[in-house]
Amino acid sequence: GAGVSQSPSNKVTEKGKDVELRCDPISGHTALYWYRQSLGQGLEFLIYFQGNSAPDKSGLPSDRFSAERTGGSVSTLTIQRTQQEDSAVYLCASSVSLGYYGYTFGSGTRLTVV
Amino acid sequence: GESVGLHLPTLSVQEGDNSIINCAYSNSASDYFIWYKQESGKGPQFIIDIRSNMDKRQGQRVTVLLNKTVKHLSLQIAATQPGDSAVYFCAETSGSRLTFGEGTQLTVNP
Repeated sequence: GAGVSQSPSNKVTEKGKDVELRCDPISGHTALYWYRQSLGQGLEFLIYFQGNSAPDKSGLPSDRFSAERTGGSVSTLTIQRTQQEDSAVYLCASSVSLGYYGYTFGSGTRLTVV
Repeated sequence: GESVGLHLPTLSVQEGDNSIINCAYSNSASDYFIWYKQESGKGPQFIIDIRSNMDKRQGQRVTVLLNKTVKHLSLQIAATQPGDSAVYFCAETSGSRLTFGEGTQLTVNP
């Protein structure tokens, strides 16, 4: 497709379960970013990947959060032992190169932990 | 820490009026300031940006003003339309990541 695709669009999980969120960036975009948006709040940076460089994980809120990007394309954000405070919309964005210009966001995954 | 924030959480205007959405920032080292529009159920969409060495930039029906003296950013929307109803975020960057403000909900009344 022409845009950034995220799946699932909605996820309800029980507290303590692990979840995986997927992001398919725009083909050819070398940079990929994950942000989190809590209800009524702005976006909070989590992690970004650029080509084959080591990812910047400085925004991950705890060691329960991890992300990987396979083959420079698809990325998976994993949250282990989910907590209620993890409930949020998780947004992925990609861009042609590192830097904000040309950022294209996906529609996000709404995660609800019950 | 460094942050970008908005003065008002909501703004309601009449269709056809001009809208002004404000933002305060604290990071003097920011290179670019950007406005995003987010409609319900969608990701943020780029509207317009301004480089830190500029004061004003105009787009189609939108103008961004940057006042570095008081660290203030504003988005002006001319002849606001119902389709402009959304949450508007300002963001700043001095590198690869964006730092977002909390958002202003703009409602356009017919």
